[in-house]
Amino acid sequence: GAGVSQSPSNKVTEKGKDVELRCDPISGHTALYWYRQSLGQGLEFLIYFQGNSAPDKSGLPSDRFSAERTGGSVSTLTIQRTQQEDSAVYLCASSLRSEFSYEQYFGPGTRLTVT
Amino acid sequence: KNEVEQSPQNLTAQEGEFITINCSYSVGISALHWLQQHPGGGIVSLFMLSSGKKKHGRLIATINIQEKHSSLHITASHPRDSAVYICAVRFQGAQKLVFGQGTRLTINP
Repeated sequence: GAGVSQSPSNKVTEKGKDVELRCDPISGHTALYWYRQSLGQGLEFLIYFQGNSAPDKSGLPSDRFSAERTGGSVSTLTIQRTQQEDSAVYLCASSLRSEFSYEQYFGPGTRLTVT
Repeated sequence: KNEVEQSPQNLTAQEGEFITINCSYSVGISALHWLQQHPGGGIVSLFMLSSGKKKHGRLIATINIQEKHSSLHITASHPRDSAVYICAVRFQGAQKLVFGQGTRLTINP
């Protein structure tokens, strides 16, 4: 079946502009995660959604970052007033449920470049 | 201080060699993942384990809960195994994954 998809695959934007990154999880997966991988850095957690529960936003680096998940499926990560340090690969993952016994399936990522 | 430590950071070996990548973590976990990331590519989950050992083809993952340590082994390594291997853990009571810095593996023919 279809895996996790993300769009766009690449995004170049000017400093100060807003960007929206989209994630389509695997159908039926109730848990959705956003991660970021900056150049030369490891992966870091940003935000997590589980069903209709309030999202865990503890990894968002600033209030310029926000995310929503509509209808328990598609998620959008929005970065306002982008800065050069926001340049990174943004990865989305989904799992059937949030319990630890369920694997996370990763999307291909969106490479964001802020010029 | 990163709560998940991987070693080595970089590893170069000849085709056919037995490869070991190590991962240590600081406190109790509910699950540990080994991920593979090819250059320019996405991330693939290789294993998820909470105890014991798992094997898939030439890949073997082990975990020692008491010692808070996991290893990923590759037998009969091949150039196509060249990638970054990432250890990620879910600490007990937490939902998010915490990642190691990754091990860049290069297998020369």
